[in-house]
Amino acid sequence: GQQLNQSPQSMFIQEGEDVSMNCTSSSIFNTWLWYKQEPGEGPVLLIALYKAGELTSNGRLTAQFGITRKDSFLNISASIPSDVGIYFCAGSTASKLTFGTGTRLQVTL
Amino acid sequence: NAGVTQTPKFQVLKTGQSMTLQCAQDMNHNSMYWYRQDPGMGLRLIYYSASEGTTDKGEVPNGYNVSRLNKREFSLRLESAAPSQTSVYFCASNPGLVKNEQFFGPGTRLTVL
Repeated sequence: GQQLNQSPQSMFIQEGEDVSMNCTSSSIFNTWLWYKQEPGEGPVLLIALYKAGELTSNGRLTAQFGITRKDSFLNISASIPSDVGIYFCAGSTASKLTFGTGTRLQVTL
Repeated sequence: NAGVTQTPKFQVLKTGQSMTLQCAQDMNHNSMYWYRQDPGMGLRLIYYSASEGTTDKGEVPNGYNVSRLNKREFSLRLESAAPSQTSVYFCASNPGLVKNEQFFGPGTRLTVL
């Protein structure tokens, strides 16, 4: 089955730094979603994108729906310790989601 | 409003045993999903139910069965558990409208010995 290519696989950053991660696919998606998962928990929806080229913010998080509809980007500004977790992208067609393999973010003080 | 709930939280089975994972949502959502999550593999769709009374296979359905008991509840059954089914299982739901924003439960961690 298809999975999205998500990079980087992991990141170690210092508190206060900005973070960028991206997700690419060989297929077109109608919707891109970004989730965060903390240890022992289920994924939590952060941002949803519905139109090619759309840029959406949620606090310190900003995500973009690529023009080709085959990619998406997530940026986190001024990282804080509670940003630690695994970030997943997901592309939607009809009623199903296809998930990326995740970017593990570690924040050091 | 509890969202999506799953039981049990942890389970250990022996090879060949059967069990049912329970999922319920109180958001009046039409669609429900079962995923498994393995290290380095992201989430993979096992089965889904687009609406009450319908179920469809996802990416990795072999070895599983599902039942959409009513609009609230969607169960996943392992008839004869195998070590390859050791995983974390997540249930999710979405309103079933154009926006496919899925909301996840806390997961069931299953170990098959």
